[in-house]
Amino acid sequence: GENVEQHPSTLSVQEGDSAVIKCTYSDSASNYFPWYKQELGKRPQLIIDIRSNVGEKKDQRIAVTLNKTAKHFSLHITETQPEDSAVYFCAAKGYNFNKFYFGSGTKLNVKP
Amino acid sequence: ETGVTQTPRHLVMGMTNKKSLKCEQHLGHNAMYWYKQSAKKPLELMFVYSLEERVENNSVPSRFSPECPNSSHLFLHLHTLQPEDSALYLCASSQAQGRPGEQFFGPGTRLTVL
Repeated sequence: GENVEQHPSTLSVQEGDSAVIKCTYSDSASNYFPWYKQELGKRPQLIIDIRSNVGEKKDQRIAVTLNKTAKHFSLHITETQPEDSAVYFCAAKGYNFNKFYFGSGTKLNVKP
Repeated sequence: ETGVTQTPRHLVMGMTNKKSLKCEQHLGHNAMYWYKQSAKKPLELMFVYSLEERVENNSVPSRFSPECPNSSHLFLHLHTLQPEDSALYLCASSQAQGRPGEQFFGPGTRLTVL
């Protein structure tokens, strides 16, 4: 089955700096890659996603890039703010649309 | 709350108890999921129901028993659990058609097994 690895496990940045979180996947048939943000004590919420027919997608300060050949995708957050502090999870959807594989999460801390 | 709701939000049970977790989605989705979230571990997929049929059982011990009576409700029945089963249990739902893949999560049930 699919194996998703996520790095780093923790990331600390100064407010205003950029943050990058990387994920790799193993199944070349995976075709949908969402990113979730989970604040302390709250549910994971989708913040951005990308499909395999697209290389990059942006939404204000957040962007995701996908390299299908290398089987990796990354989350980029620019001009970080303290409210960006949370745990971020990447995921890959396999060929079976019902099955998602999650990375282990990255705890982002944005220092004011 | 709207979207995906879960009850109870917190549950403490002994190893000999029987309890059930409930999930309800108000989004008109046709797929529902149970995940286990433990500290410092990825989200672990437990069960998937699509059109009320179980399509995935990810090697989950039989002390966890899911039930999906209709497309809006999902239960997780618990019996003779172990302390290592203590975790946050998240329900999610998604829609196959339209924009396939996007999942919406419930707030979770924090389970503690004594």
